[in-house]
Amino acid sequence: AQKITQTQPGMFVQEKEAVTLDCTYDTSDPSYGLFWYKQPSSGEMIFLIYQGSYDQQNATEGRYSLNFQKARKSANLVISASQLGDSAMYFCAMREVWTSNTGKLIFGQGTTLQVKP
Amino acid sequence: NAGVTQTPKFRVLKTGQSMTLLCAQDMNHEYMYWYRQDPGMGLRLIHYSVGEGTTAKGEVPDGYNVSRLKKQNFLLGLESAAPSQTSVYFCASSHRDRRNNEQFFGPGTRLTVL
Repeated sequence: AQKITQTQPGMFVQEKEAVTLDCTYDTSDPSYGLFWYKQPSSGEMIFLIYQGSYDQQNATEGRYSLNFQKARKSANLVISASQLGDSAMYFCAMREVWTSNTGKLIFGQGTTLQVKP
Repeated sequence: NAGVTQTPKFRVLKTGQSMTLLCAQDMNHEYMYWYRQDPGMGLRLIHYSVGEGTTAKGEVPDGYNVSRLKKQNFLLGLESAAPSQTSVYFCASSHRDRRNNEQFFGPGTRLTVL
């Protein structure tokens, strides 16, 4: 069974608008972390934002915020005021702490975001 | 501070050839990882290491071997390359005791096996 699911293979958004990238996860571990990474066409992996399962508030980093709904097991990435440079592949990933305290990540399939001028 | 570096950046192999990919990090991280990225499948963990001299299998370890003789280096070996190993390989490292264990990635190695 897939532990991380990103159901949107591709998304379009108009420049300056907000966009939500979906991520759902599946784990029985009570302690886990959720990550979002950005991969531009140049190929590098760029860390964007982190949410811990016990964090009371949703994580925010500049124009990025994570809409964490624990009961629904979703961790959607919200990008506000989209810019052309946001066009990239976005990956959601999870780290299970109690099951495997080795820091290893489980990745979703990714969502390609294209920002239109 | 170079972060995570990978050598080589590109390589073309013939079926049956062997090669070693080198990953180096200068952040004194305890944990290191090798992933492969294939179209439409995200990143999948091949092998990982939680410290010098220790390695463990990830999700897709078959056909690969690894070694971590020094804390800063993590080597990925292909003993007999197969076309199915054509992929982009990423190395990553993370600190053991940081709350989020953020992984820092290298630039990737694009490998083609003919």
